[in-house]
This record gives sequence, structure tokens and C-alpha cells, in this order.
Amino acid sequence: AQTVTQSQPEMSVQEAETVTLSCTYDTSENNYYLFWYKQPPSRQMILVIRQEAYKQQNATENRFSVNFQKAAKSFSLKISDSQLGDTAMYFCAFMKRYSNAGNMLTFGGGTRLMVKP
Amino acid sequence: DTGVSQDPRHKITKRGQNVTFRCDPISEHNRLYWYRQTLGQGPEFLTYFQNEAQLEKSRLLSDRFSAERPKGSFSTLEIQRTEQGDSAMYLCASSPQGSTEAFFGQGTRLTVV
Repeated sequence: AQTVTQSQPEMSVQEAETVTLSCTYDTSENNYYLFWYKQPPSRQMILVIRQEAYKQQNATENRFSVNFQKAAKSFSLKISDSQLGDTAMYFCAFMKRYSNAGNMLTFGGGTRLMVKP
Repeated sequence: DTGVSQDPRHKITKRGQNVTFRCDPISEHNRLYWYRQTLGQGPEFLTYFQNEAQLEKSRLLSDRFSAERPKGSFSTLEIQRTEQGDSAMYLCASSPQGSTEAFFGQGTRLTVV
């Protein structure tokens, strides 16, 4: 079984600054994906960024980038130039690559990020 | 396409009553998932459908929980004899074959009183 841990329940950042959200995971799998999902207040969860475990290069999506350390089982999210619209719950999630449960996601407990003006 | 739709958005029920939630996935998505999210926690996987086949249901929380997707389109999640501990947000997600991205609905918030 997989576990995902987010050790920062809440964080805040000033608008335009950079913030890093932490995530660690535990698995015996070698083929998997890692994700960061964003859940804005009262809105649906959306995908922020995805990382394939077999790729050494860290994924980037505009202002969002990850630091993937496979040996350490660490997967942090960096948000640059934070914007007010980045205020949300952020969930780190794990997906086994080949699973009877399709694309089943195992989520961490979440980090509530507040961007302050 | 308006994305994944869930109905109702909120449900208040008395303990012991049965409740049923509906999920309409994005139309071309053949994979459908149900998750439960309790306050302050991440979503927890419940069950998975590929088309009309329920391929994973061992994570349903008890035999009071059941789900269907009769024609491979919309899905229902039923909870029988609700308990206060069932109070949570129930999320539905869908994805197309070959994609790892899950598209989530806004959820149904259940309150059992």
C-alpha cells in the first residue's frame, strides 16, 4: 500500500513571492506517477502538475514546478510569483502505473495555502 | 461540455435513512471514480468503473455502500442506513482511456443528523 504525507497543514505567502509545499510518500512500486492537485474554496479539484517517476527531469507548468527526489521519496511543489488565485488546498497524490483500479489516486492530507495581498 | 456534474450538491439526512448521489462524467470519459473526503483530509478512494464494469470495489467502506453505472454513462452511489460517521464530501471523478488526469466534480456534501 502507498502512503502520502504532507507535513504542512497550512502555509501563507505574500503575493508575488515564492512558496514551496512539501510532500513525502512511501511505496514499494517502481512505476508510478505523482501529482499536485489544487482545490479552491467551494470549487472542484483541478490538476496542477504531473511527474512520471521514470523521468529524472522535474516537471514544470508555467509558475509551478516540482522537485522530485525519487530516492528520498520526496515531491515538493514550488509556486513562483504567487497570485491571489493560488489560494486553495493543495493535495499531493500518488498513482500506481499499472493497477486494477485504473487511475486510482492516493492523496495526502493537504496543505491549505493562503496568498496575502 | 460543463465537466463532471454531481447532484445534489448538499444533502442533509436523518440517521438511518438511505441516500443516493448521482454523478454525470464528461461524456467521452469511460473511467469513473468515487472518493470520500472528510473535513480537513485528502480524498479517499472508494470505487472504480470502466464503462459499466465495476472493476474495484474492495475499498467501499462497508456493505452499506454500493455504486452502479448501469449504461456506462452516469453513476450512482448509495449509502443505506446512514450513520453520523458517513458525514463527508463525496467526490466523483472521470478520466478518458489513456490519460492519467482525473477530472473532478464539485462533490456532494452529506450531513447526517
